[in-house]
Amino acid sequence: DAGVIQSPRHEVTEMGQEVTLRCKPISGHDYLFWYRQTMMRGLELLIYFNNNVPIDDSGMPEDRFSAKMPNASFSTLKIQPSEPRDSAVYFCASSLWTSKFSEQYFGPGTRLTVT
Amino acid sequence: DQQVKQNSPSLSVQEGRISILNCDYTNSMFDYFLWYKKYPAEGPTFLISISSIKDKNEDGRFTVFLNKSAKHLSLHIVPSQPGDSAVYFCAASADSGTYKYIFGTGTRLKVLA
Repeated sequence: DAGVIQSPRHEVTEMGQEVTLRCKPISGHDYLFWYRQTMMRGLELLIYFNNNVPIDDSGMPEDRFSAKMPNASFSTLKIQPSEPRDSAVYFCASSLWTSKFSEQYFGPGTRLTVT
Repeated sequence: DQQVKQNSPSLSVQEGRISILNCDYTNSMFDYFLWYKKYPAEGPTFLISISSIKDKNEDGRFTVFLNKSAKHLSLHIVPSQPGDSAVYFCAASADSGTYKYIFGTGTRLKVLA
């Protein structure tokens, strides 16, 4: 299995621009998570989906952030407009519910730099 | 407010010695805990977990200890190897069916050869 795939791996953009991060989960997994990693806050859960439906978006910092999962094999995280404080590494993870707590498999991340 | 805290941002240990990484939590509802390891330019990977009904779980060189009364867990690596050099995140989840893991800020472990 190819694992969780994220694109792009690196993104540099100017403040005010729209940024779209993409994720392909592991085939057959029914949960998808978006995280943001910063030095100060570590790994923060932004939003997660179950069977393509958003379950909890309480971690999304502002209305500038939005996420979609149009089908079981694709999800996007969009930031519009972007700001320098959005600079971070964004991870996508997926898992298959097999018990009350299941391992999450992370992609390699997208390093976003907003100048 | 951070519900899961890793107060040591970094740790250096000699090869062959024990590495002890610590994690504290504030939410008494947490009942499942995990450790993830992260190498540079890669995503975190699952290492070991423990349920609150246990106080110890062992997997090869890795052992996780849970002290519920102190709201503290630790990861022991014995013996430490240079390949263990990575950032280690602890995470916790509550039995609420939310499937949310709350992660700490991470501890960077460096094992010196």
